[in-house]
This record gives sequence, C-alpha cells and structure tokens, in this order.
Amino acid sequence: DAGVTQTPRHEVAEKGQTIILKCEPVSGHNDLFWYRQTKIQGLELLSYFRSKSLMEDGGAFKDRFKAEMLNSSFSTLKIQPTEPKDSAVYLCASTMDWGYEQYFGPGTRLTVL
Amino acid sequence: GEQVEQRPPHLSVREGDSAVITCTYTDPNSYYFFWYKQEPGASLQLLMKVFSSTEINEGQGFTVLLNKKDKRLSLNLTAAHPGDSAAYFCAVSAGGATGGNNKLTFGQGTVLSVIP
Repeated sequence: DAGVTQTPRHEVAEKGQTIILKCEPVSGHNDLFWYRQTKIQGLELLSYFRSKSLMEDGGAFKDRFKAEMLNSSFSTLKIQPTEPKDSAVYLCASTMDWGYEQYFGPGTRLTVL
Repeated sequence: GEQVEQRPPHLSVREGDSAVITCTYTDPNSYYFFWYKQEPGASLQLLMKVFSSTEINEGQGFTVLLNKKDKRLSLNLTAAHPGDSAAYFCAVSAGGATGGNNKLTFGQGTVLSVIP
C-alpha cells in the first residue's frame, strides 16, 4: 500500500503569492488532517476532514488558509496570500477510523520570502 | 479542549543510559494515546499506540506507561543508542467516545540526543 503522498516537497514563494499544497491519503482512510510544524509552535492542526466533510478548520488559520477535499483520495491546502510567518513544514496525515494511528506524509517545506 | 504538556523539551543522555519523556493531559475522556518518532528531516513515524485499558506496553527497547489517575503518559527508552536520537511526540485522542472528533492533540515534542 502506498503511504500518504504530498507534493511538492519544497516550495518557495514570494510574500503575497498564492500557493497550493497537495495530499493523497492512504487508500481507504476516512480521516484526513493538515498540520503545520514549526520549531516554536510544534504541530498545529489546520484542518480535519472526515469522509470528505470538514470537521475542524483550525480557528486561527481560517482567514488565509483553506483546505478542500473534493474526493476521498485528494486534498489541497491553499494559502492566500502567503506571509513570511507561514514558512514551516506542512504535514498531511490520514487515518482509517476512531482510535487508529495517523499516517503522516513526508511534508512540504514552505519558505516565504 | 484537550491540552497536552510534554517534558523535557530537550534531553541528552549517554549511550546505554535510559531516557524518560513524560506527557500530562487534561481531558479525562482521553482514550487513545500515541508516541511518534521524528528523525531529522523526516516525517512522523508511529512508535506505539496505547489504549486506556492497558497501562504498560513494551516495545523494542522501550516501555510506555499510562497512569490514568494522574493523566500521565511516559515513554522510557532503556539502554538508549545513537539511532534513538530524534524528536519524540506524544499525542492524545478521545476518539469518538464522547461524540467528539478523531483529532489528535500533540505534545510540544522532546528532542533526544544520545551521545556515543
């Protein structure tokens, strides 16, 4: 089975640009999560989908971050407009059901200049 | 909502010594507990999953203890070796037990360095 895949692995953007990160969960998994990881803040939940329905959109990240899941095998995270403080690693994870472990993708390292 | 505090943020031990990382959580409905390992430049890999019905879980070279009364979860690496050098994260979930969602609340992480 393929694990969680994320593209691109690295992204460099100018301040004010729009970027779209992509994620393919493990086949058959019902839940999909987007996280942001920084050294200072650690792992922060951005969005959570269950069976393609948005369950949580990460509160403080609402205004410029938008995650979508148009089908069960693909999700995108759009950041618009980007700011230098958005520089971080963005992780996508999926899980089968309640109580199962989350499988993490390799992440996208975003640098905003 | 759930809050998870993880200590220490950094830990340095000599090869062969033990290393203990502890997390405390607040939600008494928490039922699923996870430890993840993240090697430099890599993503998170599951180390162990613990259910609240089991208090002691043993893996290869480590033990996980769960104290539900004190709401404390600990990871004890016995006889650490340089390959254990990584960041470790605990994560807690109530699952669907109380009608809540399936998200994980992570600790802040512990960077472990094992000195040869």
